Amino acid sequence: QLQLQESGSGLVKPSQTLSLTCAVSGVSISSGGYSWSWIRQPPGKGLEWIGYIYHSGSTYYNPSLKSRVTISVDRSKNQFSLKLTSVTAADTAVYYCARGSYGYKFDYWGQGTLVTVSS
Amino acid sequence: QSALTQPASVSGSPGQSITISCTGTSSDIGGYNYVSWYQQHPGKAPKVMIYEVTNRPSGVPDRFSGSKSGNTASLTISGLQAEDEADYYCTSYTSSTTLVFGGGTKLTVL
Repeated sequence: QLQLQESGSGLVKPSQTLSLTCAVSGVSISSGGYSWSWIRQPPGKGLEWIGYIYHSGSTYYNPSLKSRVTISVDRSKNQFSLKLTSVTAADTAVYYCARGSYGYKFDYWGQGTLVTVSS
Repeated sequence: QSALTQPASVSGSPGQSITISCTGTSSDIGGYNYVSWYQQHPGKAPKVMIYEVTNRPSGVPDRFSGSKSGNTASLTISGLQAEDEADYYCTSYTSSTTLVFGGGTKLTVL
């Protein structure tokens, strides 16, 4: 059974870098045909797509976050990561990792991890 | 990119049908058949209910159906049940090779 699990710092200071990792089990992240995404949800608000990476390493980002976001893959650990620089309180959210499948649907999701930006 | 437009809330009684709309542009919904719908219960991760406008993943009841006309996609839930009460989000692929979500709709089962 495919599972995704987010991990990383739950508290980040303003202007610093948010770093999260998504460990994938049950399937190789190098399998073709899938993308690996990060999605966030501020408390009480809607979902926002951050970006995704393909097994090939190609990345695509939300234009509103593109200057601050990097998504990368570590095939040896079967995981992918998110880095978001220069964070502010507006970046406080539950961050989800998810697998993108055919039709651009997100068919598997992590449980989500809350990241708070505060001094 | 701008978020897709959804009504903030809809409601219906058990057994009734409701429809949630999702309006975009010709650069997203209108240009591609890559519209998905997600159901999210409080404190839980979203779950895909519809993909490629009309397709249901296995395990999703056939009470859930999707459609599209022009730049607007719709999710219809027939035979409303109490467990359908949740937030619903649409998403679409865009001409910029990105994805965009709708603002979300809170469904209340009266």
